[in-house]
Amino acid sequence: EVQLLESGGGLVQPGGSLRLSCAASGFTFSSSVMSWVRQTPGKGLEWVSTISSSGGSTFYADSVKGRFTISRDNSKNTLYLQMGSLRAEDTAVYYCARDHGAVSGTQFDYWGQGTLVTVSS
Amino acid sequence: EIVMTQSPATLSVSPGERATLSCRASQSVSSDLAWYQQKPGQAPRLLIYGASTRATGIPTSFSGSGSGTEFTLTISSLQSEDFAVYYCQQYNNWPLSFGGGTKVEIK
Repeated sequence: EVQLLESGGGLVQPGGSLRLSCAASGFTFSSSVMSWVRQTPGKGLEWVSTISSSGGSTFYADSVKGRFTISRDNSKNTLYLQMGSLRAEDTAVYYCARDHGAVSGTQFDYWGQGTLVTVSS
Repeated sequence: EIVMTQSPATLSVSPGERATLSCRASQSVSSDLAWYQQKPGQAPRLLIYGASTRATGIPTSFSGSGSGTEFTLTISSLQSEDFAVYYCQQYNNWPLSFGGGTKVEIK
């Protein structure tokens, strides 16, 4: 059974940093393209970032480029999102998701349960 | 950036009736279009990809059509478990983008 389990969310002050993790199981993580997608009540679903199976290619939404870094450790079956210079508008539930396709930038066939990030003073 | 627009925002349907949801892209996305279902407190669930291919385990009551800029998700006969929010997503171009969602509620 495919499982994606996010952790690391919480309350952080504006300008602060946070690292999210996503532990994967039930599939060949090292062969899978992975992504982060976030959801806010006001703006719905927003794609954040994608990383290729090897980690050699990364893609970011303009809204997070230069502030967030996606990475992965295939030996630990874990995906990460390092978030910095956090703003109130980054407040959202962050989902880890597996890309359905073999190449980067497709649809998402498995999602984690999400972790809430709240940016507030 | 490709903007995805869904209509209507809310659709009121009686159980057993047919529901038709629309998604429009601001420029052509070919058939690189997916549909998701989301229930309260849950993550989205992939229903359709390639505009018309059902994902694994998705019942035949769900069907997708369209290409280019106009897409439709049809639920042939609404069951109680189908009342949810539905999102479309394009993956033809970076950045990947989602529509604002259509809430299907019980009439």
